[in-house]
Amino acid sequence: KAGVTQTPRYLIKTRGQQVTLSCSPISGHRSVSWYQQTPGQGLQFLFEYFSETQRNKGNFPGRFSGRQFSNSRSEMNVSTLELGDSALYLCASQDGAGANYGYTFGSGTRLTVV
Amino acid sequence: AQSVSQHNHHVILSEAASLELGCNYSYGGTVNLFWYVQYPGQHLQLLLKYFSGDPLVKGIKGFEAEFIKSKFSFNLRKPSVQWSDTAEYFCAVNGIQGGKLIFGQGTELSVKP
Repeated sequence: KAGVTQTPRYLIKTRGQQVTLSCSPISGHRSVSWYQQTPGQGLQFLFEYFSETQRNKGNFPGRFSGRQFSNSRSEMNVSTLELGDSALYLCASQDGAGANYGYTFGSGTRLTVV
Repeated sequence: AQSVSQHNHHVILSEAASLELGCNYSYGGTVNLFWYVQYPGQHLQLLLKYFSGDPLVKGIKGFEAEFIKSKFSFNLRKPSVQWSDTAEYFCAVNGIQGGKLIFGQGTELSVKP
């Protein structure tokens, strides 16, 4: 079956703009998580959605938001972009709501803020 | 605080050498443990995971890891590395309820042919 699909693969935005990233999980997976990967901070958890509800949220400012649709696809939005938001944004999908399921990651969206 | 520590930032080995990458975690409660690998230009792939049972876990591509609860460790091993193992390796943990993964800083492995 198809993997986790993230679009777009690359984005260049200007400071102050906003951006929306998309993630389509593996068919049948209802849980979607988002992570930010940077050379300095490594992989940091942003948020997790299950059945359209946000279940967990990481320590990021309110400029970072997300949502999940009824078909499990998820979007992540960053408003008022800052240079420090430049990163690889990864989406992971999971079989179910509990812990004993594997997380499958997408290839990510590389965001560059200039 | 919940955290994962990977001992080595960068490891350089020759082909056929044995590998052990250290991972220690701090987490209140029962945990699930994971090792992920990120090959250059590719996405994170799951190498192996531990949820319960036998603390010695075998994964893909000849990798294995041992969960030592008393030491809060989950070290990754491979008896003989290949050039194609060159990648960045991440240890991660979450609680038995699932939810967010807490990642270590990663260990970059370079294997010389």
